[in-house]
Amino acid sequence: DAMVIQNPRYQVTQFGKPVTLSCSQTLNHNVMYWYQQKSSQAPKLLFHYYDKDFNNEADTPDNFQSRRPNTSFCFLDIRSPGLGDAAMYLCATSRDWGTLLNEQFFGPGTRLTVL
Amino acid sequence: AQKITQTQPGMFVQEKEAVTLDCTYDTSDQSYGLFWYKQPSSGEMIFLIYQGSYDEQNATEGRYSLNFQKARKSANLVISASQLGDSAMYFCAMREPLSLGNEKLTFGTGTRLTIIP
Repeated sequence: DAMVIQNPRYQVTQFGKPVTLSCSQTLNHNVMYWYQQKSSQAPKLLFHYYDKDFNNEADTPDNFQSRRPNTSFCFLDIRSPGLGDAAMYLCATSRDWGTLLNEQFFGPGTRLTVL
Repeated sequence: AQKITQTQPGMFVQEKEAVTLDCTYDTSDQSYGLFWYKQPSSGEMIFLIYQGSYDEQNATEGRYSLNFQKARKSANLVISASQLGDSAMYFCAMREPLSLGNEKLTFGTGTRLTIIP
């Protein structure tokens, strides 16, 4: 089945130790998004790619970077995780913009713990 | 900037009863889209239903329907005949255009729904 896959589902890292979260999709969608969701809060968009074009939200800390080497894969790099970065990280895709529905398809998320 | 408001942090509903989850929005755009997502404890966001601003009919998807009142800027989700598996967090979201060819979803704070046997 076509889907959005995130690995790992659970990630534990140490304070200040770089960590990379992975997202892949078999939907062949143009747009990929990374959201951060802290406990009992709404998802917050960090950045997204339209194809290879990177779009960073104005309030996304510099500590967060992203790479999209091809259509299928997108990575979230946290260069120096702090305790406040512990959260669920959700990857999502959508086919394109400008369509009426343009539903976003979400992966299962990666829950990051920072020790 | 757009804003989504969900005023019910939590709701408890008896199994098999209908439930309405409230969502109001604020936008100056004429063209917009409203979404409802379900998030079980596993974490995945599951798309439920969509309403476009120009759609004259309320959207329906199985047991889910969207009570769209454009003049009041509300887009409430109605779940008929609730089931135990409906227990989850529910988010209302709006598609927000950022610039030409660039958009994002803005989410409300969510409502935690618990179905009681």
